[in-house]
Amino acid sequence: KQEVTQIPAALSVPEGENLVLNCSFTDSAIYNLQWFRQDPGKGLTSLLLIQSSQREQTSGRLNASLDKSSGRSTLYIAASQPGDSATYLCAVRGSQETSGSRLTFGEGTQLTVNP
Amino acid sequence: DGGITQSPKYLFRKEGQNVTLSCEQNLNHDAMYWYRQDPGQGLRLIYYSQIVNDFQKGDIAEGYSVSREKKESFPLTVTSAQKNPTAFYLCASSLDRDSTQYFGPGTRLTVL
Repeated sequence: KQEVTQIPAALSVPEGENLVLNCSFTDSAIYNLQWFRQDPGKGLTSLLLIQSSQREQTSGRLNASLDKSSGRSTLYIAASQPGDSATYLCAVRGSQETSGSRLTFGEGTQLTVNP
Repeated sequence: DGGITQSPKYLFRKEGQNVTLSCEQNLNHDAMYWYRQDPGQGLRLIYYSQIVNDFQKGDIAEGYSVSREKKESFPLTVTSAQKNPTAFYLCASSLDRDSTQYFGPGTRLTVL
């Protein structure tokens, strides 16, 4: 059974700092990996999706990398801003499923960027 | 204005009652999903549907039921058999099983 772990559980940084969020998964047979952002009491917003054949994806100040063989992904946020404060969730979709689009989620990293 | 809507935003239930959470999408997506989120935890899949009139159990389907009579609608009923229903419920949809999932704003259910 796929398990997804995110470290650290919480992170507090000063504005302007570059930071890295980590995600690890136990079964490397994945179809893709997705990073989401969740604001308190809100739904999830998709940030980046990396297919299993890709090594990284970039969107603005965000860069996500994927090392499928080691079961790891990182989300790099450059020049952090207070508006980046949220919970960041990593989710993987396994390649062995024969139906559906099951995502297995990590518990998230709660990020606080201080002005 | 395209997207996924969930209603109500807050819902209170007495023990022994069934309640139904609404999820509607106008994105013309084939696949729809229901997740449950507990404090400090990731999301867990309750039910999913890849096409109208078909749905599958997820990892925690006990005590829940769904229907998919229309492409745009995927309501979730929390039955009295669900022993600990207090949680944040999120609905999502995707174009197909391989595509990015888009989430609604969620419904917070509290059992009184």
